[in-house]
Amino acid sequence: GAVVSQHPSWVICKSGTSVKIECRSLDFQATTMFWYRQFPKQSLMLMATSNEGSKATYEQGVEKDKFLINHASLTLSTLTVTSAHPEDSSFYICSAREAGGNYGYTFGSGTRLTVV
Amino acid sequence: GQQVMQIPQYQHVQEGEDFTTYCNSSTTLSNIQWYKQRPGGHPVFLIQLVKSGEVKKQKRLTFQFGEAKKNSSLHITATQTTDVGTYFCAQGQNFVFGPGTRLSVLP
Repeated sequence: GAVVSQHPSWVICKSGTSVKIECRSLDFQATTMFWYRQFPKQSLMLMATSNEGSKATYEQGVEKDKFLINHASLTLSTLTVTSAHPEDSSFYICSAREAGGNYGYTFGSGTRLTVV
Repeated sequence: GQQVMQIPQYQHVQEGEDFTTYCNSSTTLSNIQWYKQRPGGHPVFLIQLVKSGEVKKQKRLTFQFGEAKKNSSLHITATQTTDVGTYFCAQGQNFVFGPGTRLSVLP
């Protein structure tokens, strides 16, 4: 089945630094990928839709200059948290769907970001 | 935009008991998906429902889509400890997830 690889699985960074998270579709092409954020014991909040070869579509309230998304190829999308602050600490998850698949979205294993 | 609500927020059951979570929308849904997220893990796709009144089964799990396509349910028969996790419904159209129902199963 479809596999989405997300890296790193966890990262600790200092306030003010930037962190890049990668999301790769391993055995299929994904023209669209999605980035979610999840706080402990809460649901997944859609942050943005990443479109290959074009600008990402951000959900209301998500700062596009803070959460930079690049979808440079059909198998890779990256999310960069710029000038990270402790309140950015969260679980970030990407997902993608294989065209013609069973309609479900495959999620990466997530990245737990801690900003100190 | 469209929002989906889920009830209950938490459910504690004894192993062997049944469990049901409900997903409700104020507007008609084109389709609905269900996911399971184990503690510390990521969501895993379970099923998608598209047709009005649709019922699908996966072993001990039964999924229903309401006639008006505004609600859905997931029923687990004779829960097991492996069923522990949070069950989310999600709109397949705009990728919005419900708040989830966290299931605990006591052995």
